[in-house]
Amino acid sequence: DTGVSQNPRHKITKRGQNVTFRCDPISEHNRLYWYRQTLGQGPEFLTYFQNEAQLEKSRLLSDRFSAERPKGSFSTLEIQRTEQGDSAMYLCASSPVGNRDTEAFFGQGTRLTVV
Amino acid sequence: QKEVEQNSGPLSVPEGAIASLNCTYSDRGSQSFFWYRQYSGKSPELIMFIYSNGDKEDGRFTAQLNKASQYVSLLIRDSQPSDSATYLCAVNKGYGQNFVFGPGTRLSVLP
Repeated sequence: DTGVSQNPRHKITKRGQNVTFRCDPISEHNRLYWYRQTLGQGPEFLTYFQNEAQLEKSRLLSDRFSAERPKGSFSTLEIQRTEQGDSAMYLCASSPVGNRDTEAFFGQGTRLTVV
Repeated sequence: QKEVEQNSGPLSVPEGAIASLNCTYSDRGSQSFFWYRQYSGKSPELIMFIYSNGDKEDGRFTAQLNKASQYVSLLIRDSQPSDSATYLCAVNKGYGQNFVFGPGTRLSVLP
């Protein structure tokens, strides 16, 4: 499978626990994006990387959220001290770097439920 | 004003009709525009993208861009029940920028 891969697909956690999600982008894609989506809303930008550099982080992202892409390949998104409001679908996307921005391809997402 | 706006719908059309989905954006400097389809519980999948003013056709889909009016649309010809989904408009402001999504329009194609 050469698409964007996300793990786990589903995560149920108790409030206050830490969770970590992984994203493996399409292999030749330099850019990797994290989005969050709640029911009835469009994807909301969280952060993005070009290679290993984190180029932008949403102002809406609290300090409990951190993302890494240590070797410019896979990325992890960690949420510390989870809250019920963190329940959402977390989407990862990747795109190549081109002369102009080309399309982003999404993984299947990780659905987080905080109970 | 939100950066990317879409009518939330639902938009209902009969099978075989043309579905017209609209999107407006606020940043006049936006460079590229994308339409994604999202089935319930699934992740968005790219339908098509457009960079230049005018029309771009791909099978039953036509994207239309009018940068002066800051308006993007997607036409779906010969709509099928399998086209029933939420359609997301996304805008990229330029090189090195992230993608900004609208809230999506829910389309229902009635058999």
